[in-house]
Amino acid sequence: KAGVTQTPRYLIKTRGQQVTLSCSPISGHRSVSWYQQTPGQGLQFLFEYFSETQRNKGNFPGRFSGRQFSNSRSEMNVSTLELGDSALYLCASSPTGPGEQFFGPGTRLTVL
Amino acid sequence: DAKTTQPPSMDCAEGRAANLPCNHSTISGNEYVYWYRQIHSQGPQYIIHGLKNNETNEMASLIITEDRKSSTLILPHATLRDTAVYYCIVRVVNTGTASKLTFGTGTRLQVTL
Repeated sequence: KAGVTQTPRYLIKTRGQQVTLSCSPISGHRSVSWYQQTPGQGLQFLFEYFSETQRNKGNFPGRFSGRQFSNSRSEMNVSTLELGDSALYLCASSPTGPGEQFFGPGTRLTVL
Repeated sequence: DAKTTQPPSMDCAEGRAANLPCNHSTISGNEYVYWYRQIHSQGPQYIIHGLKNNETNEMASLIITEDRKSSTLILPHATLRDTAVYYCIVRVVNTGTASKLTFGTGTRLQVTL
């Protein structure tokens, strides 16, 4: 089985712009979670989607949003980018949610 | 989810067993212990999990104390490729439970020649 894929792998944006990141889960997995990793805050949970519905949400501002499509692929969007949004954004999938999660390689976002 | 405490760093000689401790003294009866690791700039990788019995797979062994207040991840023969940050996570696992993982600061394991 192919693993979790994330596109793009690297991205450079400027403050005030918006960005959309994409995640394709492992075939058959219905749960997709997103995480942000920064040197200062570590790995933090953003949100989880299951069957196209947001099932859980972390403590991030409304500028961070996401969605999931009927094929389980997911996108996350960050609007009005700030310098502090520079991070590695990781996507993880699992068959139903609980249990083992499989992480993608991440998208490294740099905001200038 | 219960809070975990891990040493910030550990060293291990290649070929020796690496024993990574984790304290989770506030763990509840329905919470599992999960271990993930993250090799530099890659996504975290699942290693193993357990409830109260010791567990072993091809990557590692997990030893959970009888009172479940602490656990140890054992890499039996550490190699340079095991150099990574290891995260111990405690969480409830039920059908339909959201999959949120709460990562702490983990233990940075350095395997040396």
